[in-house]
Amino acid sequence: AQSVTQLGSHVSVSEGALVLLRCNYSSSVPPYLFWYVQYPNQGLQLLLKYTSAATLVKGINGFEAEFKKSETSFHLTKPSAHMSDAAEYFCAVSEGTSGTYKYIFGTGTRLKVLA
Amino acid sequence: EAGVAQSPRYKIIEKRQSVAFWCNPISGHATLYWYQQILGQGPKLLIQFQNNGVVDDSQLPKDRFSAERLKGVDSTLKIQPAKLEDSAVYLCASSRTGTGGVYTFGSGTRLTVV
Repeated sequence: AQSVTQLGSHVSVSEGALVLLRCNYSSSVPPYLFWYVQYPNQGLQLLLKYTSAATLVKGINGFEAEFKKSETSFHLTKPSAHMSDAAEYFCAVSEGTSGTYKYIFGTGTRLKVLA
Repeated sequence: EAGVAQSPRYKIIEKRQSVAFWCNPISGHATLYWYQQILGQGPKLLIQFQNNGVVDDSQLPKDRFSAERLKGVDSTLKIQPAKLEDSAVYLCASSRTGTGGVYTFGSGTRLTVV
């Protein structure tokens, strides 16, 4: 079965500093990988997805993630944190066929941005 | 396009009472999902529908939870009777077949069982 591990349930960075949120997955087949962001009292919003095309994936709000098969990782980065980036971030792996996919989520990383 | 609609946004009930949540997916999205998100955890899939058929309900506690998607459009998730550990956010999501698994999530229903 596929699984996702997010290292660090809480991450704090200063405004303008690099954001790095870690995600490792396990999968027996080439995975689809996703990062979602959740703001307080809201649903999850897609940041970016990897679907076996380019290994460096660019998403919304300046975020990007790099798929590294050798490390089974899909870490999320942003060069310069903004106060509005404070939220919870979830990494997910998708499994399924014929369009009936389902996500396995990590436990989430709460990002705090310090002024 | 309109997003995934869920209601109510918040619900407080006593244990052993029943509760129902409603979800209306994006028009044309064949697949609908209900997830349970307990505080401090990632969302966990409860049930997945493809049109009006169940694809996966392996993690649905069937002794107390039930869900239906009549006519392959909107869906209702019910809990009867509720337990304290059912306190969570219940998220509904939908996806179009063949989108590589991209979901659109609703804002969720926050359930508190006291």
